[in-house]
Amino acid sequence: GQNIDQPTEMTATEGAIVQINCTYQTSGFNGLFWYQQHAGEAPTFLSYNVLDGLEEKGRFSSFLSRSKGYSYLLLKELQMKDSASYLCAVRASLIKAAGNKLTFGGGTRVLVKP
Amino acid sequence: EAQVTQNPRYLITVTGKKLTVTCSQNMNHEYMSWYRQDPGLGLRQIYYSMNVEVTDKGDVPEGYKVSRKEKRNFPLILESPSPNQTSLYFCASSLGSGGVEQFFGPGTRLTVL
Repeated sequence: GQNIDQPTEMTATEGAIVQINCTYQTSGFNGLFWYQQHAGEAPTFLSYNVLDGLEEKGRFSSFLSRSKGYSYLLLKELQMKDSASYLCAVRASLIKAAGNKLTFGGGTRVLVKP
Repeated sequence: EAQVTQNPRYLITVTGKKLTVTCSQNMNHEYMSWYRQDPGLGLRQIYYSMNVEVTDKGDVPEGYKVSRKEKRNFPLILESPSPNQTSLYFCASSLGSGGVEQFFGPGTRLTVL
């Protein structure tokens, strides 16, 4: 089976840094994704890791360790608009027929306070 | 503008009354998928389609049907809705194998009384 865990909620202050952890146990691994979702809206793509290491994209960075089944999303210089849920998702299958099937964690709600 | 559209955005219905939620994408994507999102459970895949006339079950397919007669459209059909299908539904699309980003529609909030 597939199991993806992330904290339910985190609170941080504007201008600070927050790190959202995600651990996964899946039958295969073909990439880890982070999505941002504002309340009542569609998820939007943030980052993708398939190899170990850090991927940086502006204020957001994502790290992956495949041997540990672990990833984190780092949000720097937090802004009020960063208040949202952050979804960790794993593409587990290497089988082409499964296409881009993603298994999602429950999401981490981040609240940014002034 | 590249996008995934869903209709309706909001729907309140009664148990047993058949309904269809439409999904359309204009990016020529091969892969399309339906998810439902419930508090504490995250996004769970209902059905997916690799291409025209190719569909398969996801993790929670019971009570749902889909079809893929055209590449751009992937409707979700609830033949006999029940209250446990009250949820927020998202359609998504991406390039086929190797595609990275999945593009999500705006969501359909369904309430079954």
